Amino acid sequence: GDSVTQMEGPVTLSEEAFLTINCTYTATGYPSLFWYVQYPGEGLQLLLKATKADDKGSNKGFEATYRKETTSFHLEKGSVQVSDSAVYFCALSDQETSGSRLTFGEGTQLTVNP
Amino acid sequence: DTGVSQDPRHKITKRGQNVTFRCDPISEHNRLYWYRQTLGQGPEFLTYFQNEAQLEKSRLLSDRFSAERPKGSFSTLEIQRTEQGDSAMYLCASSTRDWEDEAFFGQGTRLTVV
Repeated sequence: GDSVTQMEGPVTLSEEAFLTINCTYTATGYPSLFWYVQYPGEGLQLLLKATKADDKGSNKGFEATYRKETTSFHLEKGSVQVSDSAVYFCALSDQETSGSRLTFGEGTQLTVNP
Repeated sequence: DTGVSQDPRHKITKRGQNVTFRCDPISEHNRLYWYRQTLGQGPEFLTYFQNEAQLEKSRLLSDRFSAERPKGSFSTLEIQRTEQGDSAMYLCASSTRDWEDEAFFGQGTRLTVV
């Protein structure tokens, strides 16, 4: 079945550092890929998405490129802020094999120190 | 629009008791999803409704679990004869008919079975 694997966490960075959170996936179809973010005390929010190979999703300075050849969707940000501290989840949705459900990775806790 | 609303936010129950959670989706959204999230893990799909029809159920949804969405509006998730292993965050999400559209999540109901 479909699966998503994220880099092991937690990740601790200083403000203005470069961020990469790795995400790889396994899917039999052609999934759409998502990054969701969960700030403390809040619900999951969509951060960005990409629906086909080579698409780049971007939002709030975060970017991720859908790489079909490496089955990856790594999240990057050039300069993190304290307010970026949250849990980040990579997810996929494969309409052909799993309908509308989202399959999530285990999440990566990011802490940004001033 | 106040987003996806879940009630209660927290529930503590004794093992063997029945519990019921409610989810009110965004009003124009006809798709509604239930997920379960345990500590340190990503959300796992439980079930999905399109309008009032329950279209998909995960094998995680044992016969002690039942979900309804009468009239295609709010949804309830009931757990009968709760077990300690049911302790988790139960998340509800809603989206439009387009499967590629963003799923909006509620803040969840945290269940603790003692």
